[in-house]
Parts: sequence; C-alpha cells; structure tokens
Amino acid sequence: EPEVTQTPSHQVTQMGQEVILRCVPISNHLYFYWYRQILGQKVEFLVSFYNNEISEKSEIFDDQFSVERPDGSNFTLKIRSTKLEDSAMYFCASSVAGEQYFGPGTRLTVT
Amino acid sequence: GDSVTQMEGPVTLSEEAFLTINCTYTATGYPSLFWYVQYPGEGLQLLLKATKADDKGSNKGFEATYRKETTSFHLEKGSVQVSDSAVYFCALTKNNFNKFYFGSGTKLNVKP
Repeated sequence: EPEVTQTPSHQVTQMGQEVILRCVPISNHLYFYWYRQILGQKVEFLVSFYNNEISEKSEIFDDQFSVERPDGSNFTLKIRSTKLEDSAMYFCASSVAGEQYFGPGTRLTVT
Repeated sequence: GDSVTQMEGPVTLSEEAFLTINCTYTATGYPSLFWYVQYPGEGLQLLLKATKADDKGSNKGFEATYRKETTSFHLEKGSVQVSDSAVYFCALTKNNFNKFYFGSGTKLNVKP
C-alpha cells in the first residue's frame, strides 16, 4: 500500500540553525500539507500546497517557514532560523480525494 | 473558530473491556468528522469517518456516530485488544482538501 514517508525521523539542531524536513507524498496525490504537534498539545495545521503554490497557511507559518516541491516527488518544509519553541513533531500529509494520508512524522528538537 | 476537544488520556483498559473516547467539536456549517489512530513509531492512519449528521463510521470493530445535536463524534469499541493500544485523534474538516482540525489525542493502553 502506498504511504507517505518522512526523513529524518529525528532531527536535533541548535537554536538559530536552518533545518529542512523532507517528505515524499503518495505519487498521484495533488494536495500536500504540513502539521505540527508540540508535545502534549494538539496537532496544528501549518500550511497546504497545491499546484506549486501555498493554498492556505496558518498564523504559525510566518516568514521563518517555507515549503517547496523541488522535484516531482519531494515536499520540503524549511525553518530558516530555528527557535526553542519550534521543537515539535512535524507531520506531512497528502491528499487526492479529501482523505489525508499522513507520514510517520519528524521529531525536531531545538537546543 | 473551528475546534475539536477530546478526552484526555491515558485511558487504561483490560482486554475485552468496552471503550469510549469522547470527542466534541465546534464548527460552522457541516464539517466531516474523522478518527485517526497512531501506533507507536507510525504515522496517523485513518480509522473511520462520517461526512454528515447521523452517519456512522465503522472500521475494525470501532464505531462513531456523527451527532449534530450534541456536536459529538465519540469513538466506541465493544471489546478492545492489546493491539488497539495507540493514540487516537479526533479531527474535522470543513471541505475536501481543506485543513484538518485535530484534537489533542487520547492514548489508549490495553492490558492483557
């Protein structure tokens, strides 16, 4: 069964460093999403992406964040200058008919 | 704004016990409602869904009924197994391809 994959599974970085989280959505899907979950809190929407552009973003998704689909398979989330409060689990999802399929997540730890 | 509230965990049950995980929502219009499950080390997997009032979603012995009058979508299973141990997330979306609003997740531990 096709699945969404994410790398790395765990990323540790120092405050102020740039990180790129990678996702490979399911191949025939057209809509892509990033969510995050700070430990003990809700899963929060960050951004949705369709037709090579952002279709919606939350207020969390400020200028420090960017997304890109650099080729036909990868979907990346970049955090330009990480803060301690960016420590969270980041989930990628993709969709073709309304049902979102999620990856296993990347745990980002900012020290 | 739109939101989902679900009961806090962890919930610990013995095998074959009855499970209820409460979920209520706040939303304008007619959202679709979902339960996702996350097994250790894995992604969020769709467990069941309901797209309109009074619909019942079911899968793998789990059920949830979309109750518009009580704005609820409680998850139930008649007899849990150890393999059901996971974190369960209630979620809603207003339209296809729109963002999902998730609850905070409820961890279920089932003991043999």
